[in-house]
Amino acid sequence: DAKTTQPNSMESNEEEPVHLPCNHSTISGTDYIHWYRQLPSQGPEYVIHGLTSNVNNRMASLAIAEDRKSSTLILHRATLRDAAVYYCILVPYYGQNFVFGPGTRLSVLP
Amino acid sequence: GAVVSQHPSRVICKSGTSVKIECRSLDFQATTMFWYRQFPKQSLMLMATSNEGSKATYEQGVEKDKFLINHASLTLSTLTVTSAHPEDSSFYICSARREGSSGNTIYFGEGSWLTVV
Repeated sequence: DAKTTQPNSMESNEEEPVHLPCNHSTISGTDYIHWYRQLPSQGPEYVIHGLTSNVNNRMASLAIAEDRKSSTLILHRATLRDAAVYYCILVPYYGQNFVFGPGTRLSVLP
Repeated sequence: GAVVSQHPSRVICKSGTSVKIECRSLDFQATTMFWYRQFPKQSLMLMATSNEGSKATYEQGVEKDKFLINHASLTLSTLTVTSAHPEDSSFYICSARREGSSGNTIYFGEGSWLTVV
């Protein structure tokens, strides 16, 4: 079973910020929080990952709760190309096993 | 640019034949690669974990004799669908794990559409 829960779908208007939540209440100390997104008929694309501190890169920001039981992927200005399924997964540092949940289908309205 | 490449991107084969899909890590060595299949509108389902130089670890319900995985080098893993049937038609995706000081990053290939006719 997936160790993360996400809303099935979200909508955003173009040029507006989007906050995609993820709950991972059973996270362990060595689990990294990873976000990927998948466009139709393509493999998932790496977006961002973090352990405890908030992270920023050119694609997005990742805000991690202090207790690490939840996180939020932030797209600062949504574009039509950001419409995709976003997956939040926990990747163990020492292990190999991680499971994809159903993800959040983000629609961006022009 | 892509750091994990999959080939072929699309393949059509006849029922009963075998098909090989390649997954290459382009600019890093990957001791561990993963194979998934994905049906339309569904999430990725892990099929097996491919370990360089040793046998793959298959998920429950995945037939190891049907889905042969070979990880002969640190940059190449192959998935061979043997005696393919129409129900094997699916989108197959590989990924490779790149180890780093800030945790491991998983990079995915572009995916391979398999159609068995």
